[in-house]
Amino acid sequence: EVQLLESGGGLVQPGGSLTLSCAASGFTFSSYAMSWVRQAPGKGLEWVSIIFSGGSRTDYADSVKGRFTISRDISKNTLYLQMISLRAEDTAIYYCARGRHNSDYWGHGTLVTVSS
Amino acid sequence: QSALTQPASVSGSPGQSITISCTGTASDVGSYNFVSWYQQHPGKAPKLIISDVYNRPSGVSNRFSGSKSGNTASLTISGLQADDEADYYCSSFTTSSTRVFGGGTKLTVL
Repeated sequence: EVQLLESGGGLVQPGGSLTLSCAASGFTFSSYAMSWVRQAPGKGLEWVSIIFSGGSRTDYADSVKGRFTISRDISKNTLYLQMISLRAEDTAIYYCARGRHNSDYWGHGTLVTVSS
Repeated sequence: QSALTQPASVSGSPGQSITISCTGTASDVGSYNFVSWYQQHPGKAPKLIISDVYNRPSGVSNRFSGSKSGNTASLTISGLQADDEADYYCSSFTTSSTRVFGGGTKLTVL
């Protein structure tokens, strides 16, 4: 059974940093592209970032480019999202999801709140 | 990376059919058959219900169907049921190798 389990969310001050993790199981992690998608409270889904199966290529939404870094550790079957210079508008539930052109499995999400 | 355009809300009675549109541009919906649809119930993670414009993942009811014409994709739900009441989002791969979501549509089953 495919499972994605996010962790690392919490309350952080504006300008602060946070790293999210997503532990994957039930499939060959190295064979799939993985994405982060976020959802601000009461708002719609926003694609954030993707890392391709080989790990060498990454892409980001303009809203996070230069501030967020996606990475993966194949040995730990874990996806990461390093976030710096956080802003109030980054407050959201962050989901990790499997797939390149679509997302067939999603985690339950982890809440990031940026507030002083 | 402008969001795809969806109606904010649609409604229908049990047993009826509804269609949700998703309008993009030649740089996303119009360029690839990589349009997907997601259903999200309150407090839950999104669930993939249509991939690659037309395909239903295993376990998804055949009451859900997808189509595309030009820069607009559509999701049709036939035989509406109470449990279909949820938010629905479209998504497309783009020519920048990124992805973009629609703003979401709230479906109310009357």
